[in-house]
Amino acid sequence: DIQMTQSPSSVSASVGDRVTITCRASQDISSWLAWYQQKPGKAPKLIYAASSLQSGVPSRFSGSGSGTGFTLTISSLQPEDSATYFCQQANTFPLTFGGGTKVEIK
Amino acid sequence: EVQLVESGGGLVKPGGSLRLSCAGSGFTFSRYDMNWVRQAPGKGLEWVSCISASSSYIYYADSVKGRFTVSRDNAKNSLFLQMGSLRAEDTAVYYCARVLSPGGSTWFGGWGQGTLVTVSS
Repeated sequence: DIQMTQSPSSVSASVGDRVTITCRASQDISSWLAWYQQKPGKAPKLIYAASSLQSGVPSRFSGSGSGTGFTLTISSLQPEDSATYFCQQANTFPLTFGGGTKVEIK
Repeated sequence: EVQLVESGGGLVKPGGSLRLSCAGSGFTFSRYDMNWVRQAPGKGLEWVSCISASSSYIYYADSVKGRFTVSRDNAKNSLFLQMGSLRAEDTAVYYCARVLSPGGSTWFGGWGQGTLVTVSS
């Protein structure tokens, strides 16, 4: 199985800060990676898939990477970005998720 | 608008069974691969199972293989998860999730609100 390792597990930053989350795959997954945002008590929401920002997602979110290393960047953190973010590989079954990164506002 | 509505969760004893359902609307259900994803309380996301649009292929996580069975009824726009030999570690919110595009990659562009399954004596 492909293991997905996210870091950090949590981050606390101020409004306007740049926040970067990394996701590492245990083997090459090309660009078959997605990012989700999940707020408490809600279902996850797809925000980025295969280098494509999903419709309606603010442009302050960006993703990059291929192979085994990926990043999700929030260029200017906003209060509504407080959430847990998960990466997911879609290269091979079983599909696997990273452990999550909780983003908090200082 | 894409809607996915799960039902069937509840409290069940270890070793028991439960059947989850997911009703899809707002899209052509029969064109999309469908999945179950679960989340234990306070934990991360775990993919459980995938069934292709025509049911021609099915995949399971090792943690549920042999105990859970996924199925669908395209005529009724419904997805099911038959869960058996339930264990405490199966306690989770179970989400029904639709892939983003028909025939596309297995990332999840639509999610239900989730249904809680609690396995406890």
